[in-house]
Amino acid sequence: DVKVTQSSRYLVKRTGEKVFLECVQDMDHENMFWYRQDPGLGLRLIYFSYDVKMKEKGDIPEGYSVSREKKERFSLILESASTNQTSMYLCASIWTSGMGEQFFGPGTRLTVL
Amino acid sequence: DQQVKQNSPSLSVQEGRISILNCDYTNSMFDYFLWYKKYPAEGPTFLISISSIKDKNEDGRFTVFLNKSAKHLSLHIVPSQPGDSAVYFCAASPCLLTQGGSEKLVFGKGMKLTVNP
Repeated sequence: DVKVTQSSRYLVKRTGEKVFLECVQDMDHENMFWYRQDPGLGLRLIYFSYDVKMKEKGDIPEGYSVSREKKERFSLILESASTNQTSMYLCASIWTSGMGEQFFGPGTRLTVL
Repeated sequence: DQQVKQNSPSLSVQEGRISILNCDYTNSMFDYFLWYKKYPAEGPTFLISISSIKDKNEDGRFTVFLNKSAKHLSLHIVPSQPGDSAVYFCAASPCLLTQGGSEKLVFGKGMKLTVNP
């Protein structure tokens, strides 16, 4: 079974802190994604990566950056956390382009105070 | 501009009855559609999918119907069970991507299904 893990299930940070969210997948997937989920807004794509060191902006990249140094690991970075970044963050991966489903991690509930 | 729309935010049905969840899309380039189920404090899990060459796909209690001319798909759950209570997301993917791209899914806002015992 594909496994996508996220470093923390719950995280509380203060405004202005630098926050790292890590995601690891164990199936050699090429493509990895970061979403945030907010009530009434669904899943919104922040960034995605289709290869090591490659990244592309999603729909809401402002305030975020990403890093993909190894194929299995995709990190989301909040350079200076703000209260409007309080959200559920979800990581997903998929092998390659084509018809298939993305596999999601369990999510990280981030609260910024 | 919302490309994938789930216009009803919630649905409540009785156990044993049919649940019908609807989804509309605007982008004619979408050719692969998926449904995900999400429980609170968990990541979404894949439920069922359909490609544009089909108009129906069935997996146990779950059936997805696609009407390309109307740009509409629906998920039917028969019979509904209390364990089906969750948020359901419709998602769509465009045609196979060019080299160097990756597969982006466009999600709807989700619909909360409650199945009452």
